Amino acid sequence: AQSVTQLGSHVSVSEGALVLLRCNYSSSVPPYLFWYVQYPNQGLQLLLKYTSAATLVKGINGFEAEFKKSETSFHLTKPSAHMSDAAEYFCAVSLGFQKLVFGTGTRLLVSP
Amino acid sequence: DAGVIQSPRHEVTEMGQEVTLRCKPISGHDYLFWYRQTMMRGLELLIYFNNNVPIDDSGMPEDRFSAKMPNASFSTLKIQPSEPRDSAVYFCASSLRRGGADTQYFGPGTRLTVL
Repeated sequence: AQSVTQLGSHVSVSEGALVLLRCNYSSSVPPYLFWYVQYPNQGLQLLLKYTSAATLVKGINGFEAEFKKSETSFHLTKPSAHMSDAAEYFCAVSLGFQKLVFGTGTRLLVSP
Repeated sequence: DAGVIQSPRHEVTEMGQEVTLRCKPISGHDYLFWYRQTMMRGLELLIYFNNNVPIDDSGMPEDRFSAKMPNASFSTLKIQPSEPRDSAVYFCASSLRRGGADTQYFGPGTRLTVL
């Protein structure tokens, strides 16, 4: 069965520092993988998704993620954090038939 | 274009009362999902529909929960009777099947508090 594991429920960075949010997946078939962001009191919004077209995926707001099959990982990165990046980030894997399974989320805190 | 619309945004009710949450998906989308988000359990898929037909309701916690989609532009999630442990944020999402990694678009959620 497909699943995702997000390491670290909270990640703190300083403004301007590198952001790295970790996601590892488990899948018996080539997966579709997603990163969603949730700002306070809002619904989830798609950041980017992996569809097997390219291993390095670029998303909105300067985020990108790299699919590494050998490491079963899909970590999210951003070179320079901004205060507005403070939010909760969810990794998800598609089970097919439109169904997604979400990780437990990582809250990103950005300090001045 | 309007996104997914949910109402009400906030609901406070007393234990034992019936609660109805409403969702209007994005026009033209053929899939609709109901999720529940809590601190303890994270984001859980409750049920989803394709072309107004329920496909998988295995996430519905118990018989007190029911969902309907009478037409392509409207869905309800009903809890009867409500209990304090039902307190959560409930999200509706919709998507359009194009094959592969289809994006789900989420509404702003309904924050339910059962006293």
